[in-house]
Amino acid sequence: QLQLQESGPGLVKPSETLSLTCDVSGGSVSSSSHYWAWIRQTPGKGLEWIGTMYFSGSTYYNPSLKSRVTISVDTSKNQFSLSLSAVTAADTAIYYCARVESLAFDIWGQGTMITVSS
Amino acid sequence: QSALTQPPSASGSPGQSVTISCTGTSSDVGAYYYVSWYQQRPGKAPKLMIYEVKERPSGVPDRFSGSKSDNTASLTVSGLQPEDEADYYCSSYAGSNTYVFGTGTKVTV
Repeated sequence: QLQLQESGPGLVKPSETLSLTCDVSGGSVSSSSHYWAWIRQTPGKGLEWIGTMYFSGSTYYNPSLKSRVTISVDTSKNQFSLSLSAVTAADTAIYYCARVESLAFDIWGQGTMITVSS
Repeated sequence: QSALTQPPSASGSPGQSVTISCTGTSSDVGAYYYVSWYQQRPGKAPKLMIYEVKERPSGVPDRFSGSKSDNTASLTVSGLQPEDEADYYCSSYAGSNTYVFGTGTKVTV
């Protein structure tokens, strides 16, 4: 049974770069059948798609975040990562990783809370 | 890429039905048959309830159903149960490997 687990620093200072990792267990990030995604949820608000990647390295980003986002994969560690640069308080959110199946997000990690504060 | 529009809240008594709308544009909901719905209970990650407009993943009760007409998709929960009380979000594929979520609806039973 596929499981996803996010990990991150919890607290990031303004203007710095946020780095998160999603560990994939019970399956392979190299699956040719799936894409993998990052999604966030700001406190008390809705969900926002950040970006999606394929194991080959192809990436697709939300236009509103594209200039600051990088998603990458490490197939040797069976994980994929999110990097978000120049963070501000507006980037404070719960960050989720998810698997994409039939253009829907069918399996989610538990989420990791990231606070941007000095 | 604007968020899909959902009503902030919806409610119903146990056993009744509730329908949530999700309005997008001809570039997302209206263009593709890839609308999905998610249930989110407090403090939990979202859970996929419907994909490809009306398909249910294994384990999702058939009380949950989806439909779409033009730029608006809908989720209907029939025979409401107390455990259905949650936030519900729609999402649509928007082309070029991009996605957009709805604003979310709080369902009260």
